[in-house]
Amino acid sequence: NAGVTQTPKFQVLKTGQSMTLQCAQDMNHNSMYWYRQDPGMGLRLIYYSASEGTTDKGEVPNGYNVSRLNKREFSLRLESAAPSQTSVYFCASSPPAGGTGELFFGEGSRLTVL
Amino acid sequence: QKEVEQDPGPLSVPEGAIVSLNCTYSNSAFQYFMWYRQYSRKGPELLMYTYSSGNKEDGRFTAQVDKSSKYISLFIRDSQPSDSATYLCAMSSGTSYDKVIFGPGTSLSVIP
Repeated sequence: NAGVTQTPKFQVLKTGQSMTLQCAQDMNHNSMYWYRQDPGMGLRLIYYSASEGTTDKGEVPNGYNVSRLNKREFSLRLESAAPSQTSVYFCASSPPAGGTGELFFGEGSRLTVL
Repeated sequence: QKEVEQDPGPLSVPEGAIVSLNCTYSNSAFQYFMWYRQYSRKGPELLMYTYSSGNKEDGRFTAQVDKSSKYISLFIRDSQPSDSATYLCAMSSGTSYDKVIFGPGTSLSVIP
């Protein structure tokens, strides 16, 4: 099983450029999430989608937008990248119970903004 | 005070040692407690999952939750070099999708 697949794995942007991180899961999960991971900060939730057609802000949503394209896919867009958005981004999904913390993560997308 | 605190390490132990990893938290509403393992340049993977207080054992791994002290632990017996990773504690009240809080992680190296 592929689980959660993220693309691209690596990306370098210049300040002000835009890009979209793609995520797809094949586990038939309803809920999907985008986290960022920074040294000493742990994983911080950017946005989540409890089900197809809904999205909500997490702890650090500023500078990001998301789209839940269908049940499988959840994308994260940076409209005007800033150096503070240099991070490792993880997409995750969870089984139908949701909210209990059982998350299945992708392998991450490493973004550098110059 | 951070909602979840975890010793950052790094922690280095010889192969075969017993490892104790710990987290403290401040939110008494947390009911679900998880340990995730993250290998270098990989995504976190769920290692242990417990609900409320008590112990849970899975092979060489034991998770303990003490809600009265707001303290959780992960014990690794007979540690192996393959256990070398960063361990993240996480917890949730289970009432809202956004309320899964992660600790910053403890880096563990098991030396052969």
